[in-house]
Amino acid sequence: DSGVTQTPKHLITATGQRVTLRCSPRSGDLSVYWYQQSLDQGLQFLIQYYNGEERAKGNILERFSAQQFPDLHSELNLSSLELGDSALYFCASSVGPGGASGGYTFGSGTRLTVV
Amino acid sequence: QQQVKQSPQSLIVQKGGISIINCAYENTAFDYFPWYQQFPGKGPALLIAIRPDVSEKKEGRFTISFNKSAKQFSLHIMDSQPGDSATYFCAATGYGGSQGNLIFGKGTKLSVKP
Repeated sequence: DSGVTQTPKHLITATGQRVTLRCSPRSGDLSVYWYQQSLDQGLQFLIQYYNGEERAKGNILERFSAQQFPDLHSELNLSSLELGDSALYFCASSVGPGGASGGYTFGSGTRLTVV
Repeated sequence: QQQVKQSPQSLIVQKGGISIINCAYENTAFDYFPWYQQFPGKGPALLIAIRPDVSEKKEGRFTISFNKSAKQFSLHIMDSQPGDSATYFCAATGYGGSQGNLIFGKGTKLSVKP
């Protein structure tokens, strides 16, 4: 167990629907990162939150949004889902705004299947 | 565009052999280069990392070699074991780690044959 908890582990939903993925960071970590992993694109950075504030944005679609709550857990909202959104979604956490000092700890991911 | 290019895409090695995975980067501001190991159904786990002020770092059977002038770094797995079979990702980030997000290579699927 890495200490980063992601729920649910699996999610199957229909096109056009909206889902919410949840991440609880490792105790003491203030940063949360969201990554999308697909077979052909590898691990793509979506967005980072640090202590409740958005810190960096990657290739996140406008249909996707995220937030980090006061208790530091984060949610990734995916709406108007398309077949191409099917992927593994990982959350990672780090102590500071960057992970170079203590590293980045990944959760086990949420496998999203859009049918 | 910030990129990290990783090769090969897949690698088959005999037990006891040396596995070598290479990565190249473009952004000279990158200053932290970790390698992650991922087993099926699991999240990536930090294996070993290096900063550009050293040319090599070794932890057990795993060694990172770093060539700053060539903007390349590589992972060597000595005495490869079947349990090492996994997907390996190189990554990079910059600005003393304060930039935040990691930029990943596309991964190398390693199979170690008994």
